[in-house]
Amino acid sequence: AAGVIQSPRHLIKEKRETATLKCYPIPRHDTVYWYQQGPGQDPQFLISFYEKMQSDKGSIPDRFSAQQFSDYHSELNMSSLELGDSALYFCASSLGRAGGRYNEQFFGPGTRLTVL
Amino acid sequence: DAKTTQPNSMESNEEEPVHLPCNHSTISGTDYIHWYRQLPSQGPEYVIHGLTSNVNNRMASLAIAEDRKSSTLILHRATLRDAAVYYCILKSSGDKLTFGTGTRLAVRP
Repeated sequence: AAGVIQSPRHLIKEKRETATLKCYPIPRHDTVYWYQQGPGQDPQFLISFYEKMQSDKGSIPDRFSAQQFSDYHSELNMSSLELGDSALYFCASSLGRAGGRYNEQFFGPGTRLTVL
Repeated sequence: DAKTTQPNSMESNEEEPVHLPCNHSTISGTDYIHWYRQLPSQGPEYVIHGLTSNVNNRMASLAIAEDRKSSTLILHRATLRDAAVYYCILKSSGDKLTFGTGTRLAVRP
């Protein structure tokens, strides 16, 4: 079965550079979520989109922005990168109404971002 | 979102049952109890969820206390592939999953 696709899988950037992470949800899934997992930490929710509109927001820095496109793929744009942004970034997708208490989220393999 | 409390780590022998506890004493009446797990070097993976009644699926069983203040994830026969961090998450309003510390399960051959 098709899974969530994330690209690139690995990314190395210098401080103050920009990065764009891409997420392709499972076909027909209309909701996309972004999570950040720092070294030795648990995943933290960043932001989510339902039907191309932002549906929920977590602890996402102002330097980060994201959007969901008409084909439901999503991009996380990160500017003025800092050393502390080094982490695994997971995208997840689900099918169903935003805010559903029971919608299973399917996670991608993650993008490992290293900021030097 | 209401808070959950889980043991930091547990160990099990291969092919034996594993009971992973979770306390959620401040759970609200409309909170669903979700369990996800994260295998090494992978994204989190849905395991099971429930509201009030016990639930079974191909991966595990979920036993929910009558007062809903605690739940237990049951792996009936642990395998080496079940070694992971298991997260108990209460899902109320909003999309997000709020991951706590989770329980790191080690499976001994």
